[in-house]
Amino acid sequence: GENVEQHPSTLSVQEGDSAVIKCTYSDSASNYFPWYKQELGKRPQLIIDIRSNVGEKKDQRIAVTLNKTAKHFSLHITETQPEDSAVYFCAAHQGAGTALIFGKGTTLSVSS
Amino acid sequence: EPEVTQTPSHQVTQMGQEVILRCVPISNHLYFYWYRQILGQKVEFLVSFYNNEISEKSEIFDDQFSVERPDGSNFTLKIRSTKLEDSAMYFCASSALGTAYGYTFGSGTRLTVV
Repeated sequence: GENVEQHPSTLSVQEGDSAVIKCTYSDSASNYFPWYKQELGKRPQLIIDIRSNVGEKKDQRIAVTLNKTAKHFSLHITETQPEDSAVYFCAAHQGAGTALIFGKGTTLSVSS
Repeated sequence: EPEVTQTPSHQVTQMGQEVILRCVPISNHLYFYWYRQILGQKVEFLVSFYNNEISEKSEIFDDQFSVERPDGSNFTLKIRSTKLEDSAMYFCASSALGTAYGYTFGSGTRLTVV
């Protein structure tokens, strides 16, 4: 089955810096890669996603890149703000009705 | 914005008891899911449900667990003979067929087994 590895487990940056979180997946059948932000005690919230037919996607300060050959994808957050502090999870998905496989999460701390 | 609703938000139960966690998926969604998250750990897939039957389940989803869609709106997860290690946050999610596979997660039920 699919396995998703996520690094780093913790990331501390200064406000205004960029943050990069990387994930690798094992199953080449995975074709959809969402990123979730989870604040303490709350539900995972989708922040950006990418399909396997696209190499990069950007939404304001966040972007995701996908390298299908290497089976890795990354989340980039620019101009970080304290409110970006949360746990970020990457995930891989093969299609409707199938499991969404999560990475172990990255705790991002942005200090002002 | 449509939401997935879960009740109760927090459930405390004695070890060995049965619990039922309830979810109301988004009305036009056809796929329903249960996930769990043990405190401080990653979100883990339990089961997916489509057309009134299980479409996929994980190793975690053993005979202790069952799911049901008892009517046109609710989707339930039953956990029999609860154990201490069943303590976790349980998230329901739903997704619409033919869209970008995007899940909408509910706000979760925190289950505490004592």
